Amino acid sequence: QVQLKESGPGLVQPSETLSLTCTVSGFSLTSYSVSWVRQPSGKGPEWMGRMWYDGDTAYNSALKSRLSISRDTSKNQVFLKMNSLQTDDTGTYYCTSHTMGMDWFAYWGQGTLVTVSS
Amino acid sequence: ETTVTQSPASLSMAVGEKVSISCKTSTDIDDDMNWYQQKSGEAPKLLISEGNTLRPGVPSRFSSSGYGTDFVFTINNVLLGDEGIYYCQQSDNVPYTFGAGTKLELK
Repeated sequence: QVQLKESGPGLVQPSETLSLTCTVSGFSLTSYSVSWVRQPSGKGPEWMGRMWYDGDTAYNSALKSRLSISRDTSKNQVFLKMNSLQTDDTGTYYCTSHTMGMDWFAYWGQGTLVTVSS
Repeated sequence: ETTVTQSPASLSMAVGEKVSISCKTSTDIDDDMNWYQQKSGEAPKLLISEGNTLRPGVPSRFSSSGYGTDFVFTINNVLLGDEGIYYCQQSDNVPYTFGAGTKLELK
């Protein structure tokens, strides 16, 4: 079955760079797209960006200058890097998958809490 | 960017009642609206996808309607296990955007 799991540091210093990994199973990254979605505590989710099945990427314009998404298909992993973190970047970060090129978030990882604090 | 305005922010319902949640979009999105349920401490779960399509395994008590800019999500005969936060999300254009959520509490 489709599974996604996020990993990365739980604590990041202000102005530093966040690096997260999403490891997927049950599907190929060359068939399904993967998006990163984050959610501040008590607020609605925010779409960050998408790694398409063909290797193309799309980003939320609000984050584009700070965000990079890449992948390693041989390891079934998608990576997120975001620089210049501030306290309002604190929240739970999810990787999600899109089935068959669709634009809804069909499957979600368990999420990883990232706290930006000194 | 399409803004999604969701209401109400919270609901307190009795078991067996009918729940209605509204989402309005700032641009015409055809029927590209999706609905999610998030229970405490969990990731959101997709319930309904574009075209008001109920996802496999989701009870038929859940439904949605709407086209263009006005959308409604409905739970008929709400159960205790339906407690959580419900979100709408438009998938017509990038960036995909979510409503602020409706917290459903059962009395």
